[in-house]
Amino acid sequence: GENVEQHPSTLSVQEGDSAVIKCTYSDSASNYFPWYKQELGKRPQLIIDIRSNVGEKKDQRIAVTLNKTAKHFSLHITETQPEDSAVYFCAASINNDMRFGAGTRLTVKP
Amino acid sequence: GAVVSQHPSWVICKSGTSVKIECRSLDFQATTMFWYRQFPKQSLMLMATSNEGSKATYEQGVEKDKFLINHASLTLSTLTVTSAHPEDSSFYICSAIPGGPGNSPLHFGNGTRLTVT
Repeated sequence: GENVEQHPSTLSVQEGDSAVIKCTYSDSASNYFPWYKQELGKRPQLIIDIRSNVGEKKDQRIAVTLNKTAKHFSLHITETQPEDSAVYFCAASINNDMRFGAGTRLTVKP
Repeated sequence: GAVVSQHPSWVICKSGTSVKIECRSLDFQATTMFWYRQFPKQSLMLMATSNEGSKATYEQGVEKDKFLINHASLTLSTLTVTSAHPEDSSFYICSAIPGGPGNSPLHFGNGTRLTVT
């Protein structure tokens, strides 16, 4: 089955800096890659997603890139703010069978 | 739109008892719902895929006789943790995909924090 690896497990940045989280997947058939943000004790919230026919997608301060050949995708957050502090999960999906990475705990220091 | 409601949000039960968790899609029909378990500081692990009108599909290592799933309607799936033990204490969260076939984002319920004493 699909195996998703995510790095780093923890990331600490200064407010205003950029943060990058990277994921790799094993199954080349995966064709949908969402990113979720989860605050403590709450449900994961979708922040951005990308499909396999697209290489890059941007939404304000958040961008995602996908390299299908290398089977990796990345989340980029620019101009980070304290409220960006949370756990971020990447996921890879084949026909709605979605598998998650281990998560990255992002801390943005004011 | 695409709201998934989960109940209860937290429950404390004694070892050996059973607990039922409900997951409802409020404004869309969900032929498929997914149940995840999340231990503290860990990722979301898929337990089973709940299919309306048929048997659930369980992931390897998940005991189907312990985690009973019923998906009797297009808007309701239930997870029953039978004979709960302290090691079953976890955050259980359901999800569904509105919009039918094809890859789409999961919409999650609020989750249920189960504590077995």
